[in-house]
Amino acid sequence: SAVISQKPSRDICQRGTSLTIQCQVDSQVTMMFWYRQQPGQSLTLIATANQGSEATYESGFVIDKFPISRPNLTFSTLTVSNMSPEDSSIYLCSATTGSGYTFGSGTRLTVV
Amino acid sequence: TQLLEQSPQFLSIQEGENLTVYCNSSSVFSSLQWYRQEPGEGPVLLVTVVTGGEVKKLKRLTFQFGDARKDSSLHITAAQPGDTGLYLCAGESNSGYALNFGKGTSLLVTP
Repeated sequence: SAVISQKPSRDICQRGTSLTIQCQVDSQVTMMFWYRQQPGQSLTLIATANQGSEATYESGFVIDKFPISRPNLTFSTLTVSNMSPEDSSIYLCSATTGSGYTFGSGTRLTVV
Repeated sequence: TQLLEQSPQFLSIQEGENLTVYCNSSSVFSSLQWYRQEPGEGPVLLVTVVTGGEVKKLKRLTFQFGDARKDSSLHITAAQPGDTGLYLCAGESNSGYALNFGKGTSLLVTP
């Protein structure tokens, strides 16, 4: 199955700033997903990112706050914009080749 | 979004005990997956069940998919401290689409 490298693994950011999280997959994948997870809790889907089209956002998440890029079949970024302490969470990317799902190791974001 | 109810949410047991985690939904899934996640890591796939009534075994772990493909269970026999982690069930409604995750079961196995 595909392997995902996600970075940064963690960051502490000032409120009002933005952070871009990157995910690199070691093979071409059709769909990529971005999730948010509070420590010890389940994953909440933020958006689905397909190459060559705009990301599809879930209810409660908007493009202005979480812009996503998917420039090719192996790479995607999620930006957390104008951060506030409520954005403190773990952010995970995931990919599927159609035969299974793989996850990055997550980015633990703390906004102070 | 199809909801997956997972129980129990927390479980603390001693080494050697058995346990079962349940994952239930009112919706039918094309497949259901179980993941285990450790702190600082992403979820790691344990098993995928596809056929109603299917039973899969992975060493001391037994996974079952309900006949109607709406529910699943994970049974661990003789739990060990290395089993400690967050267990997540996830349903796939359509191939290649985002997974629907249960709330997770945080398992602590003490020596």
